[in-house]
Amino acid sequence: EAGVAQSPRYKIIEKRQSVAFWCNPISGHATLYWYQQILGQGPKLLIQFQNNGVVDDSQLPKDRFSAERLKGVDSTLKIQPAKLEDSAVYLCASKRTGGAPEAFFGQGTRLTVV
Amino acid sequence: SQQGEEDPQALSIQEGENATMNCSYKTSINNLQWYRQNSGRGLVHLILIRSNEREKHSGRLRVTLDTSKKSSSLLITASRAADTASYFCATDLQGGSEKLVFGKGMKLTVNP
Repeated sequence: EAGVAQSPRYKIIEKRQSVAFWCNPISGHATLYWYQQILGQGPKLLIQFQNNGVVDDSQLPKDRFSAERLKGVDSTLKIQPAKLEDSAVYLCASKRTGGAPEAFFGQGTRLTVV
Repeated sequence: SQQGEEDPQALSIQEGENATMNCSYKTSINNLQWYRQNSGRGLVHLILIRSNEREKHSGRLRVTLDTSKKSSSLLITASRAADTASYFCATDLQGGSEKLVFGKGMKLTVNP
């Protein structure tokens, strides 16, 4: 079974630029999570999808961050405009809704904003 | 906001010793999970304990859960240098949303 795929692995941008991250979850996993992990901290949930609907986006900074999951499969997370404090690793994870509770993570995208 | 808080935040031990890390959380849960993260990599699921369970074992891992104290502990026995990583507890919050909230993590260093 293929794992969660994320791209790009690394991205360096200047502040005020925009950036997008892509995630392809494990086939058949209806639940998809985006987390932000700042160096030395635990992952912070940004948004959770079930199929193409948003379950929780309470910690997503909606003035600059947006996410979508068209057709309930792939997902993109966008930041526009980026700030220095957005420098972090962005992790995507997926799980079967109602099935085994463990989540499977991608390798993450390391974003550096300069 | 972070739900769990691991304790200690960092632990350094010798190979062969046991490592114990604790997690406290705030709200009611369906289950509690432990994940490992090697430097620069994604998180890997280690073990899960449901809210109606008190103890589980998997290989060299033993996890306990005390819902009255809202706390869990993870014991790694006979540690190896390859166990060097960051460990996180994650709570699957009660309510059916399957929201998975992580703690701040604990850095374990196992010296050969």
